[in-house]
Amino acid sequence: SQQGEEDPQALSIQEGENATMNCSYKTSINNLQWYRQNSGRGLVHLILIRSNEREKHSGRLRVTLDTSKKSSSLLITASRAADTASYFCANVRGSYIPTFGRGTSLIVHP
Amino acid sequence: EAGVAQSPRYKIIEKRQSVAFWCNPISGHATLYWYQQILGQGPKLLIQFQNNGVVDDSQLPKDRFSAERLKGVDSTLKIQPAKLEDSAVYLCASSFKTGFTGELFFGEGSRLTVL
Repeated sequence: SQQGEEDPQALSIQEGENATMNCSYKTSINNLQWYRQNSGRGLVHLILIRSNEREKHSGRLRVTLDTSKKSSSLLITASRAADTASYFCANVRGSYIPTFGRGTSLIVHP
Repeated sequence: EAGVAQSPRYKIIEKRQSVAFWCNPISGHATLYWYQQILGQGPKLLIQFQNNGVVDDSQLPKDRFSAERLKGVDSTLKIQPAKLEDSAVYLCASSFKTGFTGELFFGEGSRLTVL
């Protein structure tokens, strides 16, 4: 399976704290993407990082990519209760079909 | 800009019955995907269309699942006969074209419960 794996599976923090989620994958990639899914809803694209990039920022999100370790991390700074959701990484190979991991369930307590 | 539309949002059927899900992608998006998401897991690709042609259906259980995308726009995913393990959310997604960025736009999903 080319599925990635997120770590941890679940994360519970207080509002204002930072949340870090990690993702590992198995093959070389074209790009890696992070998505968010609120309970009972579809996935929403957050950020895309290409294989030749090492770090990318978008608002309170920071994504890093280490292709030598085949891993990525998503950092959410100053988390809010509204950030409570599941977060998925998706690796995209030459076929351009995003392959999703199992996700990290984030709970931010107000 | 209208998003990806899916219907129905919820469906409850008994095993061995049939069900169909409909998806209307974002206007102008050539690529359409159907994903299956079992509770507590990530989405798993069932089938990918480029316009009205199938690009990848290697993980589609073809003995019971079928999908079509007539005229390269709307798509229908059918399950017949349904099994208990088909209980899941069926997510439709679209993208501008294969190889553009790979970024997908998802619908809200159709939640299927098989009793």
